[in-house]
Amino acid sequence: QKEVEQDPGPLSVPEGAIVSLNCTYSNSAFQYFMWYRQYSRKGPELLMYTYSSGNKEDGRFTAQVDKSSKYISLFIRDSQPSDSATYLCAMIASGTYKYIFGTGTRLKVLA
Amino acid sequence: DVKVTQSSRYLVKRTGEKVFLECVQDMDHENMFWYRQDPGLGLRLIYFSYDVKMKEKGDIPEGYSVSREKKERFSLILESASTNQTSMYLCASRPSDPYNEQFFGPGTRLTVL
Repeated sequence: QKEVEQDPGPLSVPEGAIVSLNCTYSNSAFQYFMWYRQYSRKGPELLMYTYSSGNKEDGRFTAQVDKSSKYISLFIRDSQPSDSATYLCAMIASGTYKYIFGTGTRLKVLA
Repeated sequence: DVKVTQSSRYLVKRTGEKVFLECVQDMDHENMFWYRQDPGLGLRLIYFSYDVKMKEKGDIPEGYSVSREKKERFSLILESASTNQTSMYLCASRPSDPYNEQFFGPGTRLTVL
């Protein structure tokens, strides 16, 4: 079983929809959780960063961490065609140096 | 504006060739990483360097070596390229605090024929 599981998609939604992207994980030591966005033929860039459990909001994006369920989510409100990209979750445990990445979910927002 | 640059966007090499992929960062970061990214497998860590001349193997170091002679530059070497090393290679850097953001380069798409 992989340490981090992420549905690869592709996920197609109409413009303006609310998008929910999710990752599950098995290692209860993970403390820091990130979402990266990767456009086609580009490197990933950090979108959201949360520590431990709870919610974090930044504009149209909300990151949610539920450590009891070992589940993290990224919500995108009022989705735009420019949000079309691959979204990667990543996490790291305290005392370690290595991020563990999900395989990424491809999102297409249709105009 | 923070920057991680990689020497080539696209590279085509023949089986058995020695291949050098170069990465340069301008943020004075201590940590640098090489990943490969394959469909369905996500990002897999090849090597990690935590300081000049210091390195650690990642999850898939076989067939690769690295060099870090200067803080800003981290090179990935394929000693004898094979077709199963066809992939997207991503370099990243980060400050010494491991809970900081990793900054990625644009990637090098390597094809080995």
